[in-house]
Amino acid sequence: ETGVTQTPRHLVMGMTNKKSLKCEQHLGHNAMYWYKQSAKKPLELMFVYSLEERVENNSVPSRFSPECPNSSHLFLHLHTLQPEDSALYLCASSPRLAGDYNEQFFGPGTRLTVL
Amino acid sequence: DAKTTQPPSMDCAEGRAANLPCNHSTISGNEYVYWYRQIHSQGPQYIIHGLKNNETNEMASLIITEDRKSSTLILPHATLRDTAVYYCIVRVDDSGYALNFGKGTSLLVTP
Repeated sequence: ETGVTQTPRHLVMGMTNKKSLKCEQHLGHNAMYWYKQSAKKPLELMFVYSLEERVENNSVPSRFSPECPNSSHLFLHLHTLQPEDSALYLCASSPRLAGDYNEQFFGPGTRLTVL
Repeated sequence: DAKTTQPPSMDCAEGRAANLPCNHSTISGNEYVYWYRQIHSQGPQYIIHGLKNNETNEMASLIITEDRKSSTLILPHATLRDTAVYYCIVRVDDSGYALNFGKGTSLLVTP
């Protein structure tokens, strides 16, 4: 248990569906992150939030839409995805965005399959 | 962030020490060395980090060479549950956001 939970753990969706991934951290952290991990590829950072403000968007297609309503919750809204978007989506949090100690705590991930 | 090089895979017998090397020859003076691991189908897990001095915690030890161009993560008594991909990451603490995970080393601990 890292203090970061993600739901659902597994998701299968069609290309025309709309779904959302949820992340919650119980650590009192101020920064939250979405990563994508495709098969046999390194982790790719998608979005970063600090105190509920988006601070980075790494050229992610608009079919992925993040939302951070408060510092404990982070969502990733999905619509009209492609089969190549199938991957493990990981959420992480850290005490703050930068500083002396920047350990990130990861959730277990959501395994997404797009048919 | 400086680039790191790790062997793609290693084996270790259960109960023995696992020594995972990492080369970071272009590391600069203010860059830290971090180690994470990822057990299959789980999120990455922080292990340890250091700047110059050797570090030890309940999970592992980190040995950084004097010139800081390489480091070794040591799991003193490897167990089957230590089978995972281990990532060595070099970064400046105020460089912002991403942990630049490379391909890491896939460690297999065998009975």
